[in-house]
This record gives sequence, C-alpha cells and structure tokens, in this order.
Amino acid sequence: SQTIHQWPATLVQPVGSPLSLECTVEGTSNPNLYWYRQAAGRGLQLLFYSVGIGQISSEVPQNLSASRPQDRQFILSSKKLLLSDSGFYLCAWSVSRGNSRTDTQYFGPGTRLTVL
Amino acid sequence: DAKTTQPPSMDCAEGRAANLPCNHSTISGNEYVYWYRQIHSQGPQYIIHGLKNNETNEMASLIITEDRKSSTLILPHATLRDTAVYYCIVRVDWRTGRRALTFGSGTRLQVQP
Repeated sequence: SQTIHQWPATLVQPVGSPLSLECTVEGTSNPNLYWYRQAAGRGLQLLFYSVGIGQISSEVPQNLSASRPQDRQFILSSKKLLLSDSGFYLCAWSVSRGNSRTDTQYFGPGTRLTVL
Repeated sequence: DAKTTQPPSMDCAEGRAANLPCNHSTISGNEYVYWYRQIHSQGPQYIIHGLKNNETNEMASLIITEDRKSSTLILPHATLRDTAVYYCIVRVDWRTGRRALTFGSGTRLQVQP
C-alpha cells in the first residue's frame, strides 16, 4: 500500500530564516505530487504541483519554491521566511491513469510552520 | 468547479448512522463529487468519490441524486473517531489541467458518546 511522509511535523522559525520541508511517497511510481498550504480561516491553497522529476508548476507567485529531485520526493523551500508564511503545509500525491477522468489526491500528515 | 453547500455542523450518536448532506446544484456533466474529512491538526483524509452512481467502500457510502444536484455521505456506524470536519467538493475532469482541490467550510460532525 502507498504511504506518504512529511517532516518535520512542527517547525518554529524566525523571520528571514531559510526553510526546507520534505515529502516522500512510498508504494507507487511516477506519482503527481502537490504542495498545499492551509492557513487558519483561509482554506486550502495549492502552491506547487509536479507531474515528474524536475517538472514543477507554480500556482501562486510567492517567496517559496519547490523541487523534485527524485521520483517520490518533493521539497518545499524558501530562502527567507515571512510572517505570512505561517500555516499548515500539506503534501499530497495522486496517480493519473490514462483511462480515468479523475485522480484522487491523498494527503500527508502535514507540517505546522510558525514564523516568529 | 461547481460550488457546494453543506450545513456547518451536525451531531450524531455513537453507533448510529451519520448522514451528511451536500448541495451542488450547478454541477456539470464532467464533474465528480468527492468527500474528504479532516480531524483536528491532521492532513485531510480521502473518503469516497462518485460521478453518477452510488458508491460504497470500507469507510462510507455515497448517495448521489438522479439529477446529481445533491449527495449524501453515510457513515453507517459512527464512532468517536469519526468526529471531524467533512468536506464535499466537486472536481472537474483532471485532464482539463485544473489540479487544485478547493475545500469550503465543510460540516463539523460531532459524534456523541
């Protein structure tokens, strides 16, 4: 069965510090990978998605970036954190099958980031 | 994607069936109905999805009306661990390139002992 891991689970960082959040998926190959942010009272926001190694699509312009160095690894980074980067960061995966018109996204446990 | 309307909160007695309604009156023919839930401080959990027919899996049943304008998620025997916020969303065919899941405010289900 497939599992998705995220770390760290919680993180407290000062403004201006760098960020690196990691997500890995097990039990599937060539997944679509997603980074979402869930801020209090603001719902779920898609930040980046990737359909393959080195292929990253950005949904919103901001000071975050994403990379996919391996098939089942997705990394979210920032060079300098802002107060507004605080939130609950969720990684998700899905598999697109050619004969299916929908792909179900499965979420990881999340990383709660507090920027002070 | 079509908008959905859910009651803000519901209570259910432990061991009884929980029936969570969702209205999606503007749904179009290529849109799927999905249900997720989120227990406090955890990532959203996929429950079930459907297009036209009723669906059942080990977690729940999904009943979609014939005109597809509304649906009901049924948890057959609710337990305390089912206390969560339940989100009903409508998703267009992924081949359109629209990847983002958009959660509304959902229904906060409280299972009472």
